[in-house]
Amino acid sequence: GQQVMQIPQYQHVQEGEDFTTYCNSSTTLSNIQWYKQRPGGHPVFLIQLVKSGEVKKQKRLTFQFGEAKKNSSLHITATQTTDVGTYFCAGRNTGFQKLVFGTGTRLLVSP
Amino acid sequence: DAGITQSPRHKVTETGTPVTLRCHQTENHRYMYWYRQDPGHGLRLIHYSYGVKDTDKGEVSDGYSVSRSKTEDFLLTLESATSSQTSVYFCAISERESDTQYFGPGTRLTVL
Repeated sequence: GQQVMQIPQYQHVQEGEDFTTYCNSSTTLSNIQWYKQRPGGHPVFLIQLVKSGEVKKQKRLTFQFGEAKKNSSLHITATQTTDVGTYFCAGRNTGFQKLVFGTGTRLLVSP
Repeated sequence: DAGITQSPRHKVTETGTPVTLRCHQTENHRYMYWYRQDPGHGLRLIHYSYGVKDTDKGEVSDGYSVSRSKTEDFLLTLESATSSQTSVYFCAISERESDTQYFGPGTRLTVL
């Protein structure tokens, strides 16, 4: 079945450093979504990417969808302590319409 | 936050007992989902519903059943709980299948 892997599993950065998480699918995706889950909280939708090579920005967050639509990345510039949490990608392939979530990347930011 | 509640929020039970988790929404969304979250596995779909009395299996459905008799309620039942079902369970809703999913606050279930 479809698998979505994320790397790294965990990253600890100092406040002000940049952070990137990568999402890789075993199949071509029709779209990809990103969610953030704060410690003890529930996943919250951040953004959806649909087009090959698409890049979207939300303030310090930059999201990219690969040209082959099999991978995606989330880059945070100058992390802040409010960025702490687990970031999940979730993709749909063209045949199976259910969202498949990645394994998540847990981000810890030290002041 | 979308109007989604889950009950109970925490539950400790013993192996072999039946357990029912409830998800309630006030958004009138057609689609409802049950996920479990475990370290190293992310969120895995258990069952989902695409309308009243219309449900289907997800990738980890063994040992679980669901029911949806009203638009607003989606129940997840563990007929005979096992320790491997210790997890955090999230309910989610969406208006259309391809839409953003909105998650409930989660239920932490411990099976001893």
